[in-house]
Amino acid sequence: DIVMTQSPDSLAVSLGERATISCKSSQSVLDSSNNKNYLAWYQQKPGQPPKLLIYWASTRESGVPDRFSGSGSGTDFTLTISSLQAEDVAVYYCQQYYSTLITFGQGTRLEIK
Amino acid sequence: QVQLVESGGGVVQPGGSLRLSCAASGFTFNNLDMHWVRQAPGKGLEWVAFIRFDGTDKYYADSVKGRFTISRDNSKDRLYLQLNSLRAEDTAVYHCVKGHSDYHYFFDYWGLGILITVSS
Repeated sequence: DIVMTQSPDSLAVSLGERATISCKSSQSVLDSSNNKNYLAWYQQKPGQPPKLLIYWASTRESGVPDRFSGSGSGTDFTLTISSLQAEDVAVYYCQQYYSTLITFGQGTRLEIK
Repeated sequence: QVQLVESGGGVVQPGGSLRLSCAASGFTFNNLDMHWVRQAPGKGLEWVAFIRFDGTDKYYADSVKGRFTISRDNSKDRLYLQLNSLRAEDTAVYHCVKGHSDYHYFFDYWGLGILITVSS
């Protein structure tokens, strides 16, 4: 199985500041035939199911604010929130779908400093 | 609007069985691959199973292979998960999840989930 490892496990950022979450995969999730990275990001708020933010590593889902962006390729990926808002407090997960055995990172808890 | 509503959860003894159902609406169910994803209390997300839109392919997490069976009834817009030989570590909220129309292996809609508690 492809193991997804996020860092840090938790993060506290001041309102209006940048938040950065890392996700590393145990093997590449880049398909060289189409140059796509099979990596998604989700946001989960307490008591709610996860919400899709980013797919193909950097494509923002419809309706997601543009302060959320994804980058990276191969085995190293980053989710960036450019200017943290109070409503961004949540747990964030990366997910690989390169393999039919889909796996998630362990999650990163984002709080306000 | 897309809705996914799970039912069939509850408390079951170790070694027992349960069948989850998911009622889908608001999209063309028989065109899309579907999944189950679970989340143990206070823990992270774990993908459980996948089924192709026509039921021809099914994949399972190693942790449930041989014990859980995913199925669907496209005439009823329903997804199912049969859980057998349940263990304490299967205690979780189980979400019915829709594959994204762009590619069916990431998820754009999630049901609220149904809790299964495995305990004696």
